[in-house]
Amino acid sequence: AQRVTQPEKLLSVFKGAPVELKCNYSYSGSPELFWYVQYSRQRLQLLLRHISRESIKGFTADLNKGETSFHLKKPFAQEEDSAMYYCALSGYGGSQGNLIFGKGTKLSVKP
Amino acid sequence: KAGVTQTPRYLIKTRGQQVTLSCSPISGHRSVSWYQQTPGQGLQFLFEYFSETQRNKGNFPGRFSGRQFSNSRSEMNVSTLELGDSALYLCASSLTPTGLGANVLTFGAGSRLTVL
Repeated sequence: AQRVTQPEKLLSVFKGAPVELKCNYSYSGSPELFWYVQYSRQRLQLLLRHISRESIKGFTADLNKGETSFHLKKPFAQEEDSAMYYCALSGYGGSQGNLIFGKGTKLSVKP
Repeated sequence: KAGVTQTPRYLIKTRGQQVTLSCSPISGHRSVSWYQQTPGQGLQFLFEYFSETQRNKGNFPGRFSGRQFSNSRSEMNVSTLELGDSALYLCASSLTPTGLGANVLTFGAGSRLTVL
């Protein structure tokens, strides 16, 4: 079964500290993975996708097929990074739809 | 260009009533997906439409239905509302339902439904 697991509901760090939001997935085949972010009172939006292999707002994520993980990392967290982060996996459609979301991790960056 | 527009933004209903939510995708986007967002369950997939056809449907009861019009605008309807239907309903659009751009979803601001 296709599944996305984000083990942490809440992650709290201090400004300037490194941050890692964990994401593990279950998928048969070559996965396509994404991170979406929802800032307070803003719309859910795409942060990055693994095929782009880019850094957005200082965040990077590397697909590790051996560990079936796609953790989101940033070396120095900023207060404006506080938001809800969702890991998502492209699916086969059907009852799960084309994009399967994890339950999200709320990142809180303290001053 | 204009983003994904959802109306109404907020609404309050009572149990047993029905509700219709509307979504206008980004111009040129032909695929529309709906999600229910709650604090406990996160984002749960409801439906996906492309060219007026429902391509996928989530595990929701038959009280939840939707449709898409020829201009790609979409509506979803929930009949016989229950307290548990209180949620933020998100609509998202993409260019196509398959291929590289398929899962680059642009989300609307959502319709927050409260059922009393």
